[in-house]
Amino acid sequence: NAGVTQTPKFRVLKTGQSMTLLCAQDMNHEYMYWYRQDPGMGLRLIHYSVGEGTTAKGEVPDGYNVSRLKKQNFLLGLESAAPSQTSVYFCASSYPEGQAEAFFGQGTRLTVV
Amino acid sequence: AQSVTQPDIHITVSEGASLELRCNYSYGATPYLFWYVQSPGQGLQLLLKYFSGDTLVQGIKGFEAEFKRSQSSFNLRKPSVHWSDAAEYFCAVGAGTSYDKVIFGPGTSLSVIP
Repeated sequence: NAGVTQTPKFRVLKTGQSMTLLCAQDMNHEYMYWYRQDPGMGLRLIHYSVGEGTTAKGEVPDGYNVSRLKKQNFLLGLESAAPSQTSVYFCASSYPEGQAEAFFGQGTRLTVV
Repeated sequence: AQSVTQPDIHITVSEGASLELRCNYSYGATPYLFWYVQSPGQGLQLLLKYFSGDTLVQGIKGFEAEFKRSQSSFNLRKPSVHWSDAAEYFCAVGAGTSYDKVIFGPGTSLSVIP
């Protein structure tokens, strides 16, 4: 049982380049999330999806786009990377209920130079 | 909107000693409360959660937490720390009916001295 898988695990980008982070889950969860983790700031929600074909903005959505074409996949895109987007990105998935447990991927460490 | 604070950025304890990690929240109603652990290079894993009922909740790896409404706190405890407990610990607060309303605290980094 793979759970939540993120690809890639590490990436270095030059300012202005674009990239897509892929998240796949095999637990049939309706909800999926993208967070960024920065020192001293915990996890901040970038975008989320409550079902296939739906997306919504979280706390820090600027500079990112997402798509959920299939229930098991949630893609995070950076169209024009900036140094401020250097961070560790986590994908997670859960059932809809507020008390549900979220399952996290192992993270993607992105450096923008 | 809810908020959550973890007053201790970093804590160091000796192996075998007891542990308490503090978490304070702000929310007008009874929130959902979570503790997650992040081992180095890993994603977050749920330790325990509270959403109703008994205010003392038991979790995995020997951890427990107590919800104290009067103090707006949800502190995490362990009676005897193991070296493998060295990790980052995040308290999270949820409000509302769906998980997208969950907010994470800044985290507490735990070091364990052999």
